[in-house]
Amino acid sequence: AQTVTQSQPEMSVQEAETVTLSCTYDTSESDYYLFWYKQPPSRQMILVIRQEAYKQQNATENRFSVNFQKAAKSFSLKISDSQLGDAAMYFCAYGDNSGGSNYKLTFGKGTLLTVNP
Amino acid sequence: NAGVMQNPRHLVRRRGQEARLRCSPMKGHSHVYWYRQLPEEGLKFMVYLQKENIIDESGMPKERFSAEFPKEGPSILRIQQVVRGDSAAYFCASSPWTGLEQYFGPGTRLTVT
Repeated sequence: AQTVTQSQPEMSVQEAETVTLSCTYDTSESDYYLFWYKQPPSRQMILVIRQEAYKQQNATENRFSVNFQKAAKSFSLKISDSQLGDAAMYFCAYGDNSGGSNYKLTFGKGTLLTVNP
Repeated sequence: NAGVMQNPRHLVRRRGQEARLRCSPMKGHSHVYWYRQLPEEGLKFMVYLQKENIIDESGMPKERFSAEFPKEGPSILRIQQVVRGDSAAYFCASSPWTGLEQYFGPGTRLTVT
């Protein structure tokens, strides 16, 4: 079974600084996708960024970028120029289509990010 | 295009009662996923449905839990004879055809007293 591990329960960053959230995963599949979701206090799940395993190039979305190391099964999220609105719980997630599961997601336990003014 | 809608947003049930959680997917979406988030935990997959079919229920507890997605109307997650351990936030997500784009609803917070 696939597993996702986030080893940092909490992180903090100063406003305008850069922070990196860590995620590792385990899978025997070769074709899969990785995601970072943000869950603010409203509890709404918001997709931040997505990475296809077959792509060597790291995904970027404005201030958010990932460092995808396929051999090491590592998928970290870098937030640049942190803003107060970035404060949230961040979840790393994995999905594949094995067994016709249509990319049901496996989530890590989350990292609570605090942004200090 | 309205987003994924879930209702109720908050539901309080006494032990032994039934809980019915509803999820209306985005317009045009025929795939629905249900996830459960226990306190201090990430979301855990429960069930994946297409219209009138349960495709993958590997994450559903074997007893008391059931799900459906009828041809017409919302998807329903039903929990019979609720226990305190069922207290959690239940999220549904919908996708148009591939789960690579799952749009989440705001969740239903179930509290069992």
